[in-house]
Amino acid sequence: GENVEQHPSTLSVQEGDSAVIKCTYSDSASNYFPWYKQELGKGPQLIIDIRSNVGEKKDQRIAVTLNKTAKHFSLHITETQPEDSAVYFCAASASGGSYIPTFGRGTSLIVHP
Amino acid sequence: EPEVTQTPSHQVTQMGQEVILRCVPISNHLYFYWYRQILGQKVEFLVSFYNNEISEKSEIFDDQFSVERPDGSNFTLKIRSTKLEDSAMYFCASSEAYGGGEKLFFGSGTQLSVL
Repeated sequence: GENVEQHPSTLSVQEGDSAVIKCTYSDSASNYFPWYKQELGKGPQLIIDIRSNVGEKKDQRIAVTLNKTAKHFSLHITETQPEDSAVYFCAASASGGSYIPTFGRGTSLIVHP
Repeated sequence: EPEVTQTPSHQVTQMGQEVILRCVPISNHLYFYWYRQILGQKVEFLVSFYNNEISEKSEIFDDQFSVERPDGSNFTLKIRSTKLEDSAMYFCASSEAYGGGEKLFFGSGTQLSVL
């Protein structure tokens, strides 16, 4: 089955800095890669996703990149703000096999004002 | 904005007891899921459910677990005889469709503590 590894487990940055979270996956059939943000006391919320037919997707201060050859994908947050502080999860799923997203371990992002 | 709601937010139980975790998925969604997260570990898939039957389940979802949609709005996870290792945050999720690349909407979770 799919295995998703996520790094780092904790990331501490100053407000205004950029933050990068990286994930790798094992199943070459995976073709959908969502990112979830979990704020304290809430469930994970989808913030951005990317499909395997594109290499990069951007939404304001958030961008995701995908390297299918290397089987890794990354979340980039620019101009970080304190409200970006949360746990971020990457996930991978395949439309041709098990549809169920496999999650990474999560990254706790702390943005210091 | 519609959301998935879960109750209770916290559940404390004695080992060997039965617990039922409750979820109300988003009303027009047809596919429902349970995930769990043991402290410090990955979010793990347990089971998916559609049209009143299980679609997929993981190795974790053994005979002590069951799911049910008792009425038109609730979706429940029952753990028959809880073990210490069942202590985790349990998330319910729902989606409009199913087939890879579907957006899952998660509830806030139920923190289960087995003593």
